Amino acid sequence: EAGVTQFPSHSVIEKGQTVTLRCDPISGHDNLYWYRRVMGKEIKFLLHFVKESKQDESGMPNNRFLAERTGGTYSTLKVQPAELEDSGVYFCASSQTKGQGPRYFGPGTRLTVL
Amino acid sequence: GDSVTQMEGPVTLSEEAFLTINCTYTATGYPSLFWYVQYPGEGLQLLLKATKADDKGSNKGFEATYRKETTSFHLEKGSVQVSDSAVYFCALSNAGGTSYGKLTFGQGTILTVHP
Repeated sequence: EAGVTQFPSHSVIEKGQTVTLRCDPISGHDNLYWYRRVMGKEIKFLLHFVKESKQDESGMPNNRFLAERTGGTYSTLKVQPAELEDSGVYFCASSQTKGQGPRYFGPGTRLTVL
Repeated sequence: GDSVTQMEGPVTLSEEAFLTINCTYTATGYPSLFWYVQYPGEGLQLLLKATKADDKGSNKGFEATYRKETTSFHLEKGSVQVSDSAVYFCALSNAGGTSYGKLTFGQGTILTVHP
């Protein structure tokens, strides 16, 4: 079975631009999670979808970040406008049930804001 | 708030050596504890977990025991292999059983095993 995939693997943008990251979870997994790791810091939780609904978005840093999961399949995370401190690696993970927690993460998207 | 502290890396070992990566945590209540591993070029994957005090998680020769009295979840392996070279992350979830999705991670420990 295909794992969690993320696109793009790398993105380099200018401050003030918009970037959209995509995550495709493992097929059939209702739970989808976004995390990020900024330079030198721990991996931090951003939000959790159950199907197309946001179960927990307490980790979203501010309203420049917008996550969607239309149709309950893939998810996008848009940063608009991007700031320098948004640079880091954005991870996506999925699981079949909430109780399992995220078992597999995608390889991440490395975002660099110049 | 909740936090996880891992031993500083990198850790460099020879093949067949004994491995310990220390992990301690601070949390209210009764969190679940996890170890994740990230092999080069791949995403994190769950290595093992323990959901209550004195539970031992184990997988692929790795073990960790949930010690509530010392708030620790140290990762151990008796004989490491070159293929164990990776980054290891300790994490906890304190969602009260409703969801393990919101994890708090440690900083990660890089392990390199030489032949």
